[in-house]
Amino acid sequence: GIQVEQSPPDLILQEGANSTLRCNFSDSVNNLQWFHQNPWGQLINLFYIPSGTKQNGRLSATTVATERYSLLYISSSQTTDSGVYFCAATGGGNKLTFGTGTQLKVEL
Amino acid sequence: EAQVTQNPRYLITVTGKKLTVTCSQNMNHEYMSWYRQDPGLGLRQIYYSMNVEVTDKGDVPEGYKVSRKEKRNFPLILESPSPNQTSLYFCASKDRGLYTEAFFGQGTRLTVV
Repeated sequence: GIQVEQSPPDLILQEGANSTLRCNFSDSVNNLQWFHQNPWGQLINLFYIPSGTKQNGRLSATTVATERYSLLYISSSQTTDSGVYFCAATGGGNKLTFGTGTQLKVEL
Repeated sequence: EAQVTQNPRYLITVTGKKLTVTCSQNMNHEYMSWYRQDPGLGLRQIYYSMNVEVTDKGDVPEGYKVSRKEKRNFPLILESPSPNQTSLYFCASKDRGLYTEAFFGQGTRLTVV
């Protein structure tokens, strides 16, 4: 099945800094999603982005399907952005395969 | 509001006592699935359902059962829970078709003592 790798595994930022999280996938995808898992464990949908670029406030994402990667940009980070960011993809089916996540901590 | 609802959110139970975690979606989605999340192992699929009365095993089905009698509901059943089933569980749903977004419930944190 498809494999999903995320980098970096851990990231510490000062509030106000920008960051880029990367997701590489091993095969063609028909679904690529980014999630934020908050400290209470909830998975929050950030983007559904099998290709192209989307923006939502301080967050944006770009998927280059032909090169098998996706990027999540966080600008002007806030402490509430802390948590784990997951990339997940499906390749030819319905099952989402998750990456191992990027643990983000934003400090004052 | 489109949503996937799981209950309960938190549960502590004892080994061997049957339990059911409910999942309901209001988006008329055909595809539903269950995942468990464990430290160091990530999120893994337990079972999935393509439609009413159609269910199949995911990657880690041992110790679990599911049913899909109605389109909106997809309960996860642990007939005889064991401590190794202590985990964070998520239910998800998506519409039919490959290029559709998946939506997740709020999660159920289960502890089996």
